[in-house]
Amino acid sequence: NAGVTQTPKFQVLKTGQSMTLQCAQDMNHEYMSWYRQDPGMGLRLIHYSVGAGITDQGEVPNGYNVSRSTTEDFPLRLLSAAPSQTSVYFCASSYSLGQGEDTQYFGPGTRLTVL
Amino acid sequence: LAKTTQPISMDSYEGQEVNITCSHNNIATNDYITWYQQFPSQGPRFIIQGYKTKVTNEVASLFIPADRKSSTLSLPRVSLSDTAVYYCLVGVVYDYKLSFGAGTTVTVRA
Repeated sequence: NAGVTQTPKFQVLKTGQSMTLQCAQDMNHEYMSWYRQDPGMGLRLIHYSVGAGITDQGEVPNGYNVSRSTTEDFPLRLLSAAPSQTSVYFCASSYSLGQGEDTQYFGPGTRLTVL
Repeated sequence: LAKTTQPISMDSYEGQEVNITCSHNNIATNDYITWYQQFPSQGPRFIIQGYKTKVTNEVASLFIPADRKSSTLSLPRVSLSDTAVYYCLVGVVYDYKLSFGAGTTVTVRA
């Protein structure tokens, strides 16, 4: 299993540009999520999905869109990039049975800089 | 969501035991306690999870007193490679809105 993969690893955008961060998992996990991590801070939840076709907002959803058309993929779209969105973005997935350990598996991250 | 409080940083030396205490005074009956580890430039990695008493795995131990208002992650005989940020999360296992606080930065010195 490749686990959780993210592309690209690095990206530089200009203010106002749009782009999509890709996330895929091959563990057949129902639950997927996107976090952002700013220097010296913990991870803040942007959006999450409990299954194909179902998404919901997390703590900091403004400026981001998501969709979940398949179990495997959960892309994060920046509609009009702003310097405040400069951050490291992590995608995660986990089982959603709600029993026993519900470990989240994280991808390697995408480092985004918005100029 | 139960709010957690943990030290910002801790220093240790190789071979010592490191204990990180997390306070969660308003933990709910259904909440579990989960710890993650994050190395620089990597995503967090699950370490251990528990509900009450003591849990041990090959990496760490988790001690939870009877009132469950705090928990302690114990890392036995740390090495330089244990230098990382450690996060304490409290919530129901299926709480999809769990957020990570700033965590505890553990620095292990030779």
